[in-house]
Amino acid sequence: DVKVTQSSRYLVKRTGEKVFLECVQDMDHENMFWYRQDPGLGLRLIYFSYDVKMKEKGDIPEGYSVSREKKERFSLILESASTNQTSMYLCASQAREINEQFFGPGTRLTVL
Amino acid sequence: GQNIDQPTEMTATEGAIVQINCTYQTSGFNGLFWYQQHAGEAPTFLSYNVLDGLEEKGRFSSFLSRSKGYSYLLLKELQMKDSASYLCAAMDSNYQLIWGAGTKLIIKP
Repeated sequence: DVKVTQSSRYLVKRTGEKVFLECVQDMDHENMFWYRQDPGLGLRLIYFSYDVKMKEKGDIPEGYSVSREKKERFSLILESASTNQTSMYLCASQAREINEQFFGPGTRLTVL
Repeated sequence: GQNIDQPTEMTATEGAIVQINCTYQTSGFNGLFWYQQHAGEAPTFLSYNVLDGLEEKGRFSSFLSRSKGYSYLLLKELQMKDSASYLCAAMDSNYQLIWGAGTKLIIKP
């Protein structure tokens, strides 16, 4: 079974702090994604990566950056957290040759 | 623009059948996905349709009409554990997923 893990299920940070969200997958998938999920809205793509050291902006990259130094790990960075970044953050991975995305359990981030 | 529409909430009775509809508008089309998401958990894959017609998988079936930009998820013999949100997502010409806001399905005994 594919396993996607995220470093924290719940996180509380203060405005202005630098925040790191880690995602690790164990199936050697090439593609990895970061989404945020807010009530009443569909999942919104923040960044994605098709390979190590590769990154592409999604629909809402402002205020975020990412890092993919190893194939299995994709990190989301909030350089200076703001209250409007309070959200559920979901990581997903996908093998290049299939369309299905596999999701991690999510990190519920609260910025005070 | 790209858009996915699905009802916000539906209620059904245990043992019954429910159909959750989804309409989509995307730049190009490379398939339609349905995911299930229980409260506080990750979305899990249910189905993928790229050709017109009905795909059946146990109690769950998914239908696609490309000409109408329409899909539905059909759940039969509803069980209490089917209470969840059901997410519709269409893949555009860049192979990016465009997500609907999800339909919260409430099952009553």
